[in-house]
Amino acid sequence: AQRVTQPEKLLSVFKGAPVELKCNYSYSGSPELFWYVQYSRQRLQLLLRHISRESIKGFTADLNKGETSFHLKKPFAQEEDSAMYYCALFSGGYNKLIFGAGTRLAVHP
Amino acid sequence: DTAVSQTPKYLVTQMGNDKSIKCEQNLGHDTMYWYKQDSKKFLKIMFSYNNKELIINETVPNRFSPKSPDKAHLNLHINSLELGDSAVYFCASSQERREQYFGPGTRLTVT
Repeated sequence: AQRVTQPEKLLSVFKGAPVELKCNYSYSGSPELFWYVQYSRQRLQLLLRHISRESIKGFTADLNKGETSFHLKKPFAQEEDSAMYYCALFSGGYNKLIFGAGTRLAVHP
Repeated sequence: DTAVSQTPKYLVTQMGNDKSIKCEQNLGHDTMYWYKQDSKKFLKIMFSYNNKELIINETVPNRFSPKSPDKAHLNLHINSLELGDSAVYFCASSQERREQYFGPGTRLTVT
């Protein structure tokens, strides 16, 4: 079964603390994974895709095929990082994105 | 502005009514989608069209009917609205397997 699991509904940290939002996936083929972010009452925006191996707004994510994970990390959280974060898996066979349940990141001053 | 746009932004209506949400993209993408985001923020795909052809139709009540007049537009018509239809509906578009661009969402409230 194709599935994306984000085990934490809420992650609450203080400004300047490291952040790791967990994402695990289940997929039989070669996965294409993304992180999307949704700021309060705004549209979803692409944050990262694993194939580009980039760092956006200080966030990075590494695909670990052995652990079937694609965790999102940032060394020093900022208040403006507070948002909903969705991990997503592209299912090539069905040409669709499968989203995890989302993790709300709350960064406190 | 190149983007995905949706109208209306807010929709408040009574049970039993029929309503439509419109979506337009001017990005030249060939695939468009409708997603439903429920009160717990869970995001689930409903439909997908590629070049005006329906390619994904998830387990959605047949009260929901998408319509794509051309590849830049994907509208969602909902018949006999129910309380459980209250949600935020997002339209998105993409070109082949590349990133999906989302619209601003339509917050539907059924009373």
